[in-house]
Parts: sequence; structure tokens; C-alpha cells
Amino acid sequence: DGGITQSPKYLFRKEGQNVTLSCEQNLNHDAMYWYRQDPGQGLRLIYYSQIVNDFQKGDIAEGYSVSREKKESFPLTVTSAQKNPTAFYLCASSPLPGPTTVRTQYFGPGTRLTVL
Amino acid sequence: AQSVTQPDIHITVSEGASLELRCNYSYGATPYLFWYVQSPGQGLQLLLKYFSGDTLVQGIKGFEAEFKRSQSSFNLRKPSVHWSDAAEYFCAVGTNMNTGFQKLVFGTGTRLLVSP
Repeated sequence: DGGITQSPKYLFRKEGQNVTLSCEQNLNHDAMYWYRQDPGQGLRLIYYSQIVNDFQKGDIAEGYSVSREKKESFPLTVTSAQKNPTAFYLCASSPLPGPTTVRTQYFGPGTRLTVL
Repeated sequence: AQSVTQPDIHITVSEGASLELRCNYSYGATPYLFWYVQSPGQGLQLLLKYFSGDTLVQGIKGFEAEFKRSQSSFNLRKPSVHWSDAAEYFCAVGTNMNTGFQKLVFGTGTRLLVSP
């Protein structure tokens, strides 16, 4: 089955540690995204990548880093510089747009990160 | 700035009753609109989307939404709610960034509770 996988489902981190969240897709989508979800705030865009070896900052990129070395993979590193990293992290991907410029995004199951 | 408002934080509906979830957007150009559903601890699933054409859009699980440009609204409806519909629902608008790429701007969500 094609889809987006995120691992781990739950992640615990001590303050001051960096941690990397995995996102893999086998949908052959060219674009990938990372969102952060906090209660009552909806989803906010952290980083996105249109093609391999290219990525752009979203609305809340501070304290995060990404890489896109393969089309299928878009890992997110939460660094110690992120002041409040406890949240639910969602990865998404989208195919090339059709006749319009719109890209429909499809989401993975998420990773819940808790800083102890 | 583009924004999405979901005025209802929680809604409780009796099983078998009809449902309408409200969504208002602010966007200067032609909006690309989406509804997603999220079960607790899970990722987002696409219910339906509107790009152009017929303003009444059919989605999965018996949901539909109507785009009303004059009211800047894209309300989600279902004629008869099932207990399995209890979840959180997010409305989103696709907006163009200065990179030429698109992002989704999400509302803060509406949690649907279904009573027996």
C-alpha cells in the first residue's frame, strides 16, 4: 500500500538534546512538508521541500532543521534551540499539481514529541 | 493575511441528526479550500476539496461542502451523523507564498462529539 510513514509514534527527549523525526513516503510525491500541531492552534508549517536537495522555511522554522537527500524521505530535527518542542508533528506530501496550481496534501500518522 | 476561522470549538450532535460545521476564510484571490478530519492521536485525512466549478462538493464518508463566495464560507455538512464521525475537523485554504509555492493555512479545528 502506498502511503506516508512517520516514526516513532511517541518520542521522549530530555532538555538540551537534539532529536530526529522520520518521514518516508512511497507515493512518488515530489513535495513534502512538516507541520506542528498544538492544542487549539491548528497546524503550523515548519519546513517544506519542493524537490530533492531543496527546502524552504515555513512560518515557524526556528529551532528546527531538515534535509531532503532522497525523494522519499524528509527527516526533521528538533534542536535544543527550540524553546517549546513538546507537540504533535505531522508530515505531509503532495504530487505535482494538475490543471490548477493547487497541491493536495496527504498526511502521515504523526509523531508525538514530549520533552521531559 | 490569509486566514481561516472555524467559530465552533466543540459541537455535539445526536447520532442520526444532521451536521453542519462552519468555516470562513479570508483570501483575496480564488480560494482553494479543503476539509480534513483527524481522529485522536492520528494524522489528517482528506474529506473533500474545492478548486473551481460546481460549488457543492461531495467527499468521502457521506460529507459534502458548499462554497459560497459572497459569504466567504465553505461549510461542511452531513445529513445523518454516525458515532464513528466523532473527531476533529479542520478547514484549510491553499495560499500562494512569495516563493511561488503553495501552503495550507488551517483553522483551529472543530471537535465533533456524537451523543447516542
